[in-house]
Amino acid sequence: KQEVTQIPAALSVPEGENLVLNCSFTDSAIYNLQWFRQDPGKGLTSLLLIQSSQREQTSGRLNASLDKSSGRSTLYIAASQPGDSATYLCAVPPPGGYNKLIFGAGTRLAVHP
Amino acid sequence: DAMVIQNPRYQVTQFGKPVTLSCSQTLNHNVMYWYQQKSSQAPKLLFHYYDKDFNNEADTPDNFQSRRPNTSFCFLDIRSPGLGDAAMYLCATSRVSGQGADTQYFGPGTRLTVL
Repeated sequence: KQEVTQIPAALSVPEGENLVLNCSFTDSAIYNLQWFRQDPGKGLTSLLLIQSSQREQTSGRLNASLDKSSGRSTLYIAASQPGDSATYLCAVPPPGGYNKLIFGAGTRLAVHP
Repeated sequence: DAMVIQNPRYQVTQFGKPVTLSCSQTLNHNVMYWYQQKSSQAPKLLFHYYDKDFNNEADTPDNFQSRRPNTSFCFLDIRSPGLGDAAMYLCATSRVSGQGADTQYFGPGTRLTVL
């Protein structure tokens, strides 16, 4: 059974810092890995999708890496801003499948001015 | 511009009184999902429709049911809500083919309160 763990559960940093959020999964037979953002009381917004054949994906100040063999992914946020404050969730499909996702509980990020 | 729409955004019901949550999409995606998310927890998949095929998760209580009358709409029915069913309910859609799946697009959620 696939399990997804995210560390740390919460993070509070001053504006401008570079951040690393961690995600680990127990079964490396994944089709892809996705990172989402969730603002309080809202739905999820897709940030990055990394296919299993890829090592990383970049979008603006965000960079996500994937190491399937070790069951890990990291989300790097450069030059953090208060507007980055949200919960960041990673998700993977179950082993051998791709039409649904298993989520981690997320890292709650607060960036203060 | 809204792509995945959920109604209502907030729903208050009484213990045991049936409730229906609605989701619609303008993306023409073939897969629609319903998740339950409790405070500070991961979204938990309840079920999904792959086209017209209903796929129930093994641990989804019988109290939860779903209908998908057409490509655009999907409903979540809670037959007899209990206090433990108070949560945010998220609808999502995705385009899935034999070659794989695109990312999931989420609606804003419906916050359910059970009194």
